[in-house]
Amino acid sequence: GIQVEQSPPDLILQEGANSTLRCNFSDSVNNLQWFHQNPWGQLINLFYIPSGTKQNGRLSATTVATERYSLLYISSSQTTDSGVYFCAVERYNFNKFYFGSGTKLNVKP
Amino acid sequence: EADIYQTPRYLVIGTGKKITLECSQTMGHDKMYWYQQDPGMELHLIHYSYGVNSTEKGDLSSESTVSRIRTEHFPLTLESARPSHTSQYLCASSELGQETQYFGPGTRLLVL
Repeated sequence: GIQVEQSPPDLILQEGANSTLRCNFSDSVNNLQWFHQNPWGQLINLFYIPSGTKQNGRLSATTVATERYSLLYISSSQTTDSGVYFCAVERYNFNKFYFGSGTKLNVKP
Repeated sequence: EADIYQTPRYLVIGTGKKITLECSQTMGHDKMYWYQQDPGMELHLIHYSYGVNSTEKGDLSSESTVSRIRTEHFPLTLESARPSHTSQYLCASSELGQETQYFGPGTRLLVL
């Protein structure tokens, strides 16, 4: 399978701070998604971003497919941003998703 | 928000019991998936399906089985539960040609 590494594993922020989460992957992929898992375990899709840059409110993501990494930016963080952020990738013709081990974010008021 | 449902949400059961975890989606998605996730850890794919009568095993070895008799329904069965099966089980679906995965709320299983 594909190796997916996320960093940092843990992150503590003060409310209002900005942060960057990173996802490195070991092979060419045709699908990359970022998810947020809230403290109750629900996973929500944030971005489908196999390449390029996307923005959604305070969140944005950039994937540089040729260098096999993706970045998730969180600006003006809020306590509701707390949870675990996962990166997941899918390789061409394999039809399986591989998840990283996640970044656990704690935003303090 | 996607319409994908899992029941039960929580289950405590004794060793040796047979259990079925239910997953249903109302979006008409062809692809469905089961993942296993230990607390705070990454998700591991245990089964997936591309459509009715199609099922495949994922990368994580699992003693569970699945079936896909209807597009909207993808149940997972453990014939004989063991404490090592204690985990959270997450169901997801996606549409062929559209790669966004939508997840259900999960089933937290505790086997005593």
